[in-house]
Amino acid sequence: AQKVTQAQTEISVVEKEDVTLDCVYETRDTTYYLFWYKQPPSGELVFLIRRNSFDEQNEISGRYSWNFQKSTSSFNFTITASQVVDSAVYFCALSEANTGTASKLTFGTGTRLQVTL
Amino acid sequence: DSGVTQTPKHLITATGQRVTLRCSPRSGDLSVYWYQQSLDQGLQFLIQYYNGEERAKGNILERFSAQQFPDLHSELNLSSLELGDSALYFCASSHTERNLGQPDTEAFFGQGTRLTVV
Repeated sequence: AQKVTQAQTEISVVEKEDVTLDCVYETRDTTYYLFWYKQPPSGELVFLIRRNSFDEQNEISGRYSWNFQKSTSSFNFTITASQVVDSAVYFCALSEANTGTASKLTFGTGTRLQVTL
Repeated sequence: DSGVTQTPKHLITATGQRVTLRCSPRSGDLSVYWYQQSLDQGLQFLIQYYNGEERAKGNILERFSAQQFPDLHSELNLSSLELGDSALYFCASSHTERNLGQPDTEAFFGQGTRLTVV
């Protein structure tokens, strides 16, 4: 069975600090997809990134970057120069290709990020 | 704005009652997914419909059912409600999946319906 672990329940940082959110996953499948979603206080789930298991290239998008390491089954998310607007709960999720749909997601328990001035 | 519309945004009802949550997917998306977010269970996949047919099932209770209509909107029906059913219910949609295991895109989520059972 697939599983996603986000060991950090809550992180507090001061604005402009860098912060890394950890995500470790378990799957028996060789083809799978990893995701990060953001849930701000307003409650909606905002898609941030999708990565497939064959692409271990790290990705950077503005202040966000993702480090995918198959050897350690990790897909960590770093926010550089954090801002108050980054305060939210961040979810890592996994989907196995053999389920027939990559959008049947198994979510981690989330990491609440609090950025203060 | 993800393009996925869920109504109502909030719902308060009594135990034993039945409610219907509605979801309109993004234009062109054939797949609709329902997720439940509760304090004790976290975010859980409930069920997926693809072009009107049930495609995948997760931890959905027998008291819950869903359907997808010809216009592709979906409804999640929750009956014999219990206090523990209080949660945020999300609908998500994604593009057509041309091949099994080869999705076109990720799922985009609606703003959710917050259900409170009292």
